[in-house]
Amino acid sequence: GAVVSQHPSRVICKSGTSVKIECRSLDFQATTMFWYRQFPKKSLMLMATSNEGSKATYEQGVEKDKFLINHASLTLSTLTVTSAHPEDSSFYICSAHQVSSYNEQFFGPGTRLTVL
Amino acid sequence: TQLLEQSPQFLSIQEGENLTVYCNSSSVFSSLQWYRQEPGEGPVLLVTVVTGGEVKKLKRLTFQFGDARKDSSLHITAAQPGDTGLYLCAGASTNAGKSTFGDGTTLTVKP
Repeated sequence: GAVVSQHPSRVICKSGTSVKIECRSLDFQATTMFWYRQFPKKSLMLMATSNEGSKATYEQGVEKDKFLINHASLTLSTLTVTSAHPEDSSFYICSAHQVSSYNEQFFGPGTRLTVL
Repeated sequence: TQLLEQSPQFLSIQEGENLTVYCNSSSVFSSLQWYRQEPGEGPVLLVTVVTGGEVKKLKRLTFQFGDARKDSSLHITAAQPGDTGLYLCAGASTNAGKSTFGDGTTLTVKP
């Protein structure tokens, strides 16, 4: 099956610093990747859709200047949380979509961000 | 905006019992996926259904897509503690990738 990696798995940072999270599709090319945020015992909240070589599409209410997304290649997308604050603490998950599939998304293992 | 209502939200049962999780919408979907997520991990794809009335089986799990492609159900027979997790349904109206996720069903199977 399609494998997606995410790095780091856990990160603790001080308030005001920036954190970069990487999402890689290891065995397939992903023209589209998605970034989600998940709160405890809740479903996934889509933050943005990342398309290779173009600007990301952000969902309503998500600050594009705070959550910077770059999708420079068909196998790598990055999410940078800029000037992080404690309220940004959450579980961030990426997924990758294969063009030939029926909207099937393959998820990374997630990144637990804690902002002190 | 497409909405997917998933029920029940929480389910706690004893090992060996059967259960059904429902995913309902007023929108028609071109495909619908079911995922299972364990704490601290990403969701894992269980199945994709695309044809109205379709039934798919995965060992003790049976997935059904409604005739009108607006709803789906997941039935688990003889649940085991290893089935514990968050079950998510997701539907899309096109094959462009973006999906609408249900609110999830947290299943706990007690030994």
